[in-house]
Amino acid sequence: DAGVTQSPTHLIKTRGQQVTLRCSPISGHKSVSWYQQVLGQGPQFIFQYYEKEERGRGNFPDRFSARQFPNYSSELNVNALLLGDSALYLCASSPLGQLTYNEQFFGPGTRLTVL
Amino acid sequence: TQLLEQSPQFLSIQEGENLTVYCNSSSVFSSLQWYRQEPGEGPVLLVTVVTGGEVKKLKRLTFQFGDARKDSSLHITAAQPGDTGLYLCAGANPGTYKYIFGTGTRLKVLA
Repeated sequence: DAGVTQSPTHLIKTRGQQVTLRCSPISGHKSVSWYQQVLGQGPQFIFQYYEKEERGRGNFPDRFSARQFPNYSSELNVNALLLGDSALYLCASSPLGQLTYNEQFFGPGTRLTVL
Repeated sequence: TQLLEQSPQFLSIQEGENLTVYCNSSSVFSSLQWYRQEPGEGPVLLVTVVTGGEVKKLKRLTFQFGDARKDSSLHITAAQPGDTGLYLCAGANPGTYKYIFGTGTRLKVLA
């Protein structure tokens, strides 16, 4: 079975631009979460989606938005890019979106560099 | 704000040595996961612990969840160079959909 896939693998943008990152979850998984990992730190939670609805949001500005499609794939959009948005963006899929024990499986990430 | 503190931050040991990594919080988690991450890749799930006091073994790795579900430890026996990587714990926040990640422990095992 294919794991979580993300595209693109690497991306270079300039300040003020907009970026869209894509994620396809493991087949059968209905929940997708997005994380930002700055170099040297642990991942920071951005969003979780389940059945196309936003179920959770981390402490990120409104420049960050996401959506989930009927096939459970997801996109993360970041507007008005800042230098500090440079990071590895990780997508994780889960079989369930309930408030209980729920394992996450991560994709390889998209490395975003903002110049 | 919930925090998960990991210690030590960095660890460099010789092949064959034992080590323990700690993950501590003042908050209760409904479950806790341990991951290993290689440079430029996503974290790979090693184990999930759910019940307070639970112990799980994965070959040379032993994971324990604290009785109060606020802390966890990862013990590696006879470390090998292939164990090198960033070890992350992540706690599931009860009542929300958020996972809080720890600060990470960077392990290097020298041959």
